[in-house]
Amino acid sequence: KAGVTQTPRYLIKTRGQQVTLSCSPISGHRSVSWYQQTPGQGLQFLFEYFSETQRNKGNFPGRFSGRQFSNSRSEMNVSTLELGDSALYLCASSSNSGNSPLHFGNGTRLTVT
Amino acid sequence: EDKVVQSPLSLVVHEGDTVTLNCSYEVTNFRSLLWYKQEKKAPTFLFMLTSSGIEKKSGRLSSILDKKELFSILNITATQTGDSAVYLCARTSGTYKYIFGTGTRLKVLA
Repeated sequence: KAGVTQTPRYLIKTRGQQVTLSCSPISGHRSVSWYQQTPGQGLQFLFEYFSETQRNKGNFPGRFSGRQFSNSRSEMNVSTLELGDSALYLCASSSNSGNSPLHFGNGTRLTVT
Repeated sequence: EDKVVQSPLSLVVHEGDTVTLNCSYEVTNFRSLLWYKQEKKAPTFLFMLTSSGIEKKSGRLSSILDKKELFSILNITATQTGDSAVYLCARTSGTYKYIFGTGTRLKVLA
C-alpha cells in the first residue's frame, strides 16, 4: 500500500508570494490533516479535512487555507508569504482522525527568503 | 491551549542502555495518546494508547498510559544506534485534532 505522498519536496519562495502544497493520502483514507513543524514550536495543527469538509482548524492566520477533493487528495495554500512561514509542512492521513493513528508523508520543506 | 510536555528534551546513551521517555499532559478527558519516531522527515507511528494501565509492546519498545496521573512513558530496552531519532507524543484534543509535544531527541552512541 502506497504511503502518504506530498509534493513538492522542497520549495523556495520570496516574501509576498503564495504557494500551494499537495498531499495524496493512503488509499482508502478519507481524513487528511496538515501540520507545520518548526524547530521552536514543534508540530502545530493547521486543519483537518474529511469528505471535502474542513472539520477543525488550528490557530493560524487566514493566509493559510486548504481544501480536499472528492478523491481525498488535499491541497494547502499559503498566501502573502512571510519569513516565519519557513517550515516543514507535514500532511497526515487516517481512516478517521481521532479514532485511528495519523500516517505522515515526508513533508514539504518551504523556505521563504 | 493545553500542552503536551515531553522530557527530557534530549538524551545521549550508549548502545545496550535502557531509556524511558516521558510525556505529560493537562487534561483528563481525551480519546487517545500516540507515540511517533521521527528520523529524517515523516514521523512514523509507534503506539496508540487509549486505556490506562495497559502496556503496548513492539519488540524492544513498550509504552503505557496513566490517565489518573496524566502521563505516558515510552521505554526502549537494549538501545541500538538505529533508535537515534526524535520521539514525539501526541494527544487527541476534541475531535479530529492532535496536540504534539516538542519531542525528545535521543542519540544512541555505538
